[in-house]
Amino acid sequence: EPEVTQTPSHQVTQMGQEVILRCVPISNHLYFYWYRQILGQKVEFLVSFYNNEISEKSEIFDDQFSVERPDGSNFTLKIRSTKLEDSAMYFCASTYLGGLSSGQYFGPGTRLTVT
Amino acid sequence: AQKITQTQPGMFVQEKEAVTLDCTYDTSDQSYGLFWYKQPSSGEMIFLIYQGSYDEQNATEGRYSLNFQKARKSANLVISASQLGDSAMYFCAMREHAGGTSYGKLTFGQGTILTVHP
Repeated sequence: EPEVTQTPSHQVTQMGQEVILRCVPISNHLYFYWYRQILGQKVEFLVSFYNNEISEKSEIFDDQFSVERPDGSNFTLKIRSTKLEDSAMYFCASTYLGGLSSGQYFGPGTRLTVT
Repeated sequence: AQKITQTQPGMFVQEKEAVTLDCTYDTSDQSYGLFWYKQPSSGEMIFLIYQGSYDEQNATEGRYSLNFQKARKSANLVISASQLGDSAMYFCAMREHAGGTSYGKLTFGQGTILTVHP
């Protein structure tokens, strides 16, 4: 069964450093998302991406964040200058359709630790 | 105001018994979707079940069923015949149509930790 993959599974970085989190969505999916989950808290939407552009972003997704689909398979989230409060699990998700009934399939997550 | 409310931080159930996890939601949209996800201790998010706002029948997927009460704005997850492997965090989530501009973002509740006892 096809699945969303994410690398790395765990990233440790120092405050102020740039990080790139990578995702490979399911191959025929058209809508891509990033979510984050601070330890012990709920999952929060960051950004959605369709047709090679951001379609929606949350207030969390400020100028420090960017997303890119550099080729036909990868979908990346970049944090330019990490802060301690960026420590969280980051999930990539994808779906074939953006409609209401389309279940979003999540990757296993990347645990980002900022020290 | 919270869009998705899960009032049970933790629930306990005996193996082989049924358990209901509560979820209420708040939306002014007529068209929306409700989802349940399971998050085991390993951290991944597993899609369990979906209910559309216009669906007249409650959704079922194997041992999972969704008790959808539209007038009360509730979408409770029922797990029948609980298994030890059901121990996990469970999240209720909603996707709103948002005037036709929604690209499918999910809004999650706080989650309920389910522990299944042998």
